[in-house]
Amino acid sequence: AQKITQTQPGMFVQEKEAVTLDCTYDTSDPSYGLFWYKQPSSGEMIFLIYQGSYDQQNATEGRYSLNFQKARKSANLVISASQLGDSAMYFCAMRGLNSGYALNFGKGTSLLVTP
Amino acid sequence: DVKVTQSSRYLVKRTGEKVFLECVQDMDHENMFWYRQDPGLGLRLIYFSYDVKMKEKGDIPEGYSVSREKKERFSLILESASTNQTSMYLCASSPTSTSGGNVDTQYFGPGTRLTVL
Repeated sequence: AQKITQTQPGMFVQEKEAVTLDCTYDTSDPSYGLFWYKQPSSGEMIFLIYQGSYDQQNATEGRYSLNFQKARKSANLVISASQLGDSAMYFCAMRGLNSGYALNFGKGTSLLVTP
Repeated sequence: DVKVTQSSRYLVKRTGEKVFLECVQDMDHENMFWYRQDPGLGLRLIYFSYDVKMKEKGDIPEGYSVSREKKERFSLILESASTNQTSMYLCASSPTSTSGGNVDTQYFGPGTRLTVL
């Protein structure tokens, strides 16, 4: 069984500051992928960043980086230089290579960026 | 850019109606998925398809069926809509990874907010 835990239901950050959204996971699959998605109020689920379990380096995509600590089973998302448009729900998800096709999602963290 | 489109952003139907939700992707992806999203329950997989005419049940298939006659199109069917099927429905597609050890990324459409009265 796989499980994703996001312990922060809501977060505030001031514009231009950095923010870290927490995600821990549990899986018995030796090979897996971790994902972060952003869901604005419009409802679309937007892919942000991917980390493979065997990747040696932490993934980065523009202002997004993934702080991957395999031994601690954590995959925190760091957003640098927050913008007002970053206000949204953020979901951590994972899929084990041998655990079927579906993504397992966390419950999400609501991020509000204030001026 | 990957493009996944869904036939409607908002839909209102009556109890007992047959409802079709359409999803189309333009990236030649093998895999397609239907999820529903409810407050407090997160995203749950209804059905997925890994090839034309192939389908697999997800976690909550009851009350739903699917059809995949062409690679780019995956339809979700509510045979007789009920009020407990009021939800946000999200379609996704993904390629089958050819790199050993890598997990394919799922790309989502804009979602359909379905209300059943």
